[in-house]
Amino acid sequence: GAVVSQHPSRVICKSGTSVKIECRSLDFQATTMFWYRQFPKKSLMLMATSNEGSKATYEQGVEKDKFLINHASLTLSTLTVTSAHPEDSSFYICSARDLLGRPPAGEQFFGPGTRLTVL
Amino acid sequence: AQKITQTQPGMFVQEKEAVTLDCTYDTSDPSYGLFWYKQPSSGEMIFLIYQGSYDQQNATEGRYSLNFQKARKSANLVISASQLGDSAMYFCAQKIYAGGTSYGKLTFGQGTILTVHP
Repeated sequence: GAVVSQHPSRVICKSGTSVKIECRSLDFQATTMFWYRQFPKKSLMLMATSNEGSKATYEQGVEKDKFLINHASLTLSTLTVTSAHPEDSSFYICSARDLLGRPPAGEQFFGPGTRLTVL
Repeated sequence: AQKITQTQPGMFVQEKEAVTLDCTYDTSDPSYGLFWYKQPSSGEMIFLIYQGSYDQQNATEGRYSLNFQKARKSANLVISASQLGDSAMYFCAQKIYAGGTSYGKLTFGQGTILTVHP
């Protein structure tokens, strides 16, 4: 099946620094990628939808200046958490939509997630 | 906005027995898909099974089956012959396929933590 990678898998940073998380579709082209946030033992909350070559669409309540999303190519989307604070600590998961993939699983493949800890 | 409800925060089952995880939804859109994902402690999301709103038969994938009751707006996951490796968090999710602001997005339920006892 299609593979989505995320880098880094785990990051610890100091409060006030910015952290960039990469999401790559390794063997398919993804015109759309999604970014989710998940707190421990909680559900996945969609943060934004990232479309290649255009601005991301953010969900209500998500600060777009805080969570910068760039989908510069058909295989790469990045999420930058700017001026991170302890409350930004969370598990961030991306998923990529393979339009050529066989539905329904092929509609959205998930990355392994990135655990962010802000001290 | 669509809402997915999983009313069981945690479930326990004995190894080799069957277990049902509940999921209800509230969309009025006629065209949608229902998904179940497994999330082990490692965090990866593993796709298990899918049911389309127009599918006439309940979906099955190996030990997983989906009890789809459209009139009741429920899509319960049944895991037969539970294994220790089935212990994980399970999410029900829905995607709307026609128009609206939620088009194309997956909306997840709260999740159910399943623990399989030996």
